[in-house]
Amino acid sequence: KAGVTQTPRYLIKTRGQQVTLSCSPISGHRSVSWYQQTPGQGLQFLFEYFSETQRNKGNFPGRFSGRQFSNSRSEMNVSTLELGDSALYLCASSGQTGGGIYGYTFGSGTRLTVV
Amino acid sequence: GDSVTQMEGPVTLSEEAFLTINCTYTATGYPSLFWYVQYPGEGLQLLLKATKADDKGSNKGFEATYRKETTSFHLEKGSVQVSDSAVYFCALLPSSGSARQLTFGSGTQLTVLP
Repeated sequence: KAGVTQTPRYLIKTRGQQVTLSCSPISGHRSVSWYQQTPGQGLQFLFEYFSETQRNKGNFPGRFSGRQFSNSRSEMNVSTLELGDSALYLCASSGQTGGGIYGYTFGSGTRLTVV
Repeated sequence: GDSVTQMEGPVTLSEEAFLTINCTYTATGYPSLFWYVQYPGEGLQLLLKATKADDKGSNKGFEATYRKETTSFHLEKGSVQVSDSAVYFCALLPSSGSARQLTFGSGTQLTVLP
């Protein structure tokens, strides 16, 4: 079956702009989590959505937001972009909220560059 | 809070050498433990997992045993190949609570030379 699909793969934005990233989970999975990966901070949790509700949120400013649709697809939005938002954004899906005991399946990520 | 500590990299080995990447964790209860691998320009791929003490996860020649007494989950492979060159991440998922999330180690860059 199809894996986790993230679009677009690459983005270049200017400081102050906003950006929306998309994630389609594995068919049947209702949980979608987002992670930010940077060389300095490593992998950091942003938030998790399950059945259209945000279940968990990491320690990121309010400029980072997300939502989940009834078909489980999720979008992540970053407003007023800063240079430090340049990162690989990874989406992960699971059949259960909190990952169950089997964890998550990750997508290939969206590489965001802010100039 | 929960944390994962991985051995610092980078690690450079010759093909067919033995690999060990150390991973220790701090968490309450019995978390699930994972090793993910990231190839250049790609996302994370699940390599193996263990969900309870003394479980051994294995895949593609890689193995790791969940050691509760030493809070460790070291990754091993008997004979590495050039194609194993990647970044390896150890991670844990708490055993309970509604706000569970993966906690990752800092990653270990492995380069295998022919």
